[in-house]
Amino acid sequence: DAGITQSPRHKVTETGTPVTLRCHQTENHRYMYWYRQDPGHGLRLIHYSYGVKDTDKGEVSDGYSVSRSKTEDFLLTLESATSSQTSVYFCAISEGPGGTGELFFGEGSRLTVL
Amino acid sequence: AQRVTQPEKLLSVFKGAPVELKCNYSYSGSPELFWYVQYSRQRLQLLLRHISRESIKGFTADLNKGETSFHLKKPFAQEEDSAMYYCALFSNDYKLSFGAGTTVTVRA
Repeated sequence: DAGITQSPRHKVTETGTPVTLRCHQTENHRYMYWYRQDPGHGLRLIHYSYGVKDTDKGEVSDGYSVSRSKTEDFLLTLESATSSQTSVYFCAISEGPGGTGELFFGEGSRLTVL
Repeated sequence: AQRVTQPEKLLSVFKGAPVELKCNYSYSGSPELFWYVQYSRQRLQLLLRHISRESIKGFTADLNKGETSFHLKKPFAQEEDSAMYYCALFSNDYKLSFGAGTTVTVRA
């Protein structure tokens, strides 16, 4: 497995509280992604990063923010969690640039918002 | 905007039978398509990509630009093929867009 870890792996929180998920890689890959996985929707891209401090929105970015202050860490923050954000969140990394399409995924973080 | 459609949520086949997972896409550029697989208690991983034209674990997929399809096929399914399969399209802005996924169950 590629050197990619997510923390926490499981979290239960209440509506309105802030939550931060961390993705850490040891591969020195340039590209990092956050996806959420939901039944019937597959994986949907939330945000991605193409370098330190370079990020962009995906298709379901509302309610989420990200930061990447160093190559190895990509943080996903829910400023005020809602029940609709209950999901499994996957971080992925890619050596890139475009054309390779091979992403390496973390094990996922299961978030439950009550 | 790109879109990937997997019309089947669930697919159940008997061991030794052929299996075909459908994938259709819409994209204005030149598509780069992939199949990813997630086995039980394992990470999502790349199965195959259309540009390599290779067979992985007996699976093949042919890109049909006329029908905008990239169906995944295996002539003889095995129990270890039971998994969730995702079709994905890589666009020129470095994004990988996934379909909704198909859960395959291979019965003995």
